[in-house]
Amino acid sequence: AQKITQTQPGMFVQEKEAVTLDCTYDTSDQSYGLFWYKQPSSGEMIFLIYQGSYDEQNATEGRYSLNFQKARKSANLVISASQLGDSAMYFCAMRDRGAQKLVFGQGTRLTINP
Amino acid sequence: GAGVSQSPSNKVTEKGKDVELRCDPISGHTALYWYRQSLGQGLEFLIYFQGNSAPDKSGLPSDRFSAERTGGSVSTLTIQRTQQEDSAVYLCASIRDAMADTQYFGPGTRLTVL
Repeated sequence: AQKITQTQPGMFVQEKEAVTLDCTYDTSDQSYGLFWYKQPSSGEMIFLIYQGSYDEQNATEGRYSLNFQKARKSANLVISASQLGDSAMYFCAMRDRGAQKLVFGQGTRLTINP
Repeated sequence: GAGVSQSPSNKVTEKGKDVELRCDPISGHTALYWYRQSLGQGLEFLIYFQGNSAPDKSGLPSDRFSAERTGGSVSTLTIQRTQQEDSAVYLCASIRDAMADTQYFGPGTRLTVL
């Protein structure tokens, strides 16, 4: 069975610092996709970044990058130059190619301090 | 609109009543998902629709839960004889097609069962 583990329930970071949110996953499939979503207090799930299991390069989207270490089954999200607006819940998720649903971790609540 | 929309945004009901939650996916998206997010938790898959195929209902927690998708577009999630443990945010997501990777979420419906 697929499983996503996010070991940091909460993170506190000073504005403008970089922050790494941890995510490890477990799957027996060779083909899968990894996602990060942001959920601000408004409740909407905002897609941030995607990494395919066969992608050789780490995904990047603006200030977001995904540190993909396949052998260690980790897919950490790195946010550079954090901003106050980055304060939110962050969820790591995985989708196996053979399945359609996303499996989510428990989330990390990130707070950016001024 | 360009995004996934859901209605109502909030629903308060009494235990034992039936409720209907609506989701309008992004135009042209063929696949639609329902998830449930209990307080402080990650997202739990409920049901998945893809085109005219039979839906994947493997995540529905009990036979009180059902969903339909009419005309390959709008979907309704129905909860019969609501219980207090049904209180949660119900999120809908759509995806362009079965081979696409990214699910786009609506703002959710917050259901409170008194």
